[in-house]
Amino acid sequence: DQQVKQNSPSLSVQEGRISILNCDYTNSMFDYFLWYKKYPAEGPTFLISISSIKDKNEDGRFTVFLNKSAKHLSLHIVPSQPGDSAVYFCAAGNAGNNRKLIWGLGTSLAVNP
Amino acid sequence: DARVTQTPRHKVTEMGQEVTMRCQPILGHNTVFWYRQTMMQGLELLAYFRNRAPLDDSGMPKDRFSAEMPDATLATLKIQPSEPRDSAVYFCASGLSAGLISDTQYFGPGTRLTVL
Repeated sequence: DQQVKQNSPSLSVQEGRISILNCDYTNSMFDYFLWYKKYPAEGPTFLISISSIKDKNEDGRFTVFLNKSAKHLSLHIVPSQPGDSAVYFCAAGNAGNNRKLIWGLGTSLAVNP
Repeated sequence: DARVTQTPRHKVTEMGQEVTMRCQPILGHNTVFWYRQTMMQGLELLAYFRNRAPLDDSGMPKDRFSAEMPDATLATLKIQPSEPRDSAVYFCASGLSAGLISDTQYFGPGTRLTVL
């Protein structure tokens, strides 16, 4: 049973437009959420995170939104660039269950020039 | 540019053989994680260590998998005997832990294991 779900296996957007990647979770105990980006033949790299005490966190072109009531978070990339083409993983955890993150299956983003 | 290194990058073996995967964490990092990635399950945590001590290996099949840190610069993951269902990409990650879930994990490039 997937506690963290990324229901869109893939997404394609035009360069310069907004990319929106979605993630849903089922465990109401999760209080910390992260996004990692993965290029082919490389390991995932940390992108951005958000704590449950916030509903938005922004870092440059990347913004993560958290809707606790809906158990939903989303990653917005504006503007999208071809170099953003990668697989994006959503991960969630609980600070009390130290460091054990539950990961989604990933969404493959293709940004077309 | 400090990176986590993993060897081998690719491994093809036959069912029943022993497989050993190695990881060199970033110098100075005190936590090491082993993950397995499959298409169906995504990234699953197999085990993690802090200061070379195993803290959680509940995700690891105990009968055939073992993870160790012989020293601070080497982590190993062994499968004996290997089975076709173990075919996956195995990632090692390290971090400088303050004991917080917000501590960033730095991943290696992975070992792609194929068990025939």
